[in-house]
Amino acid sequence: GQNIDQPTEMTATEGAIVQINCTYQTSGFNGLFWYQQHAGEAPTFLSYNVLDGLEEKGRFSSFLSRSKGYSYLLLKELQMKDSASYLCAPLDSNYQLIWGAGTKLIIKP
Amino acid sequence: DAMVIQNPRYQVTQFGKPVTLSCSQTLNHNVMYWYQQKSSQAPKLLFHYYDKDFNNEADTPDNFQSRRPNTSFCFLDIRSPGLGDAAMYLCATSPPGDRGDLNQPQHFGDGTRLSIL
Repeated sequence: GQNIDQPTEMTATEGAIVQINCTYQTSGFNGLFWYQQHAGEAPTFLSYNVLDGLEEKGRFSSFLSRSKGYSYLLLKELQMKDSASYLCAPLDSNYQLIWGAGTKLIIKP
Repeated sequence: DAMVIQNPRYQVTQFGKPVTLSCSQTLNHNVMYWYQQKSSQAPKLLFHYYDKDFNNEADTPDNFQSRRPNTSFCFLDIRSPGLGDAAMYLCATSPPGDRGDLNQPQHFGDGTRLSIL
């Protein structure tokens, strides 16, 4: 079966760094997306990894290890506006997104 | 700005009364998706179109149907809404390309939050 595992909720402090982990099992693999979703709003694209390694994009970085079925999203210099859910979504062999339930990130002052 | 537009943002209907949600896009993307998302859950894919090629997920209830009259518009019809259909409905698009280019990010509309009375 296809499965995504990520923590339900995390709390971090403004200005700090947080790492959100995701492990996945899919039928085939064509890359992995991270999306940000604020409460009551639609998901917005953050990053895409298809090769192993780290992709850096400003304050956000995403890492992928295909052999381990593992990815993480790293958020630096946290701001209050980063309070949101972060959804891990690998693409399976049919190019279908397999969505995780998301990690709710709470930022405290 | 090119975008994905969903109307309305909030929809209230009565139990059993048919309702249609609409989505339009100015991105000229080939692929359009309809998702259902309930609170604190992952988006659940209902349908997707690759151009006019319609793909229905195996576990999408028969109560849900979709139409795509042209590239720009896509509709979700719920024939007899039940209380369990109250959710956020998300429309998304992804860019054109051959099957090898389907690793493109999806662009979402703001969603329609459906309430059932």
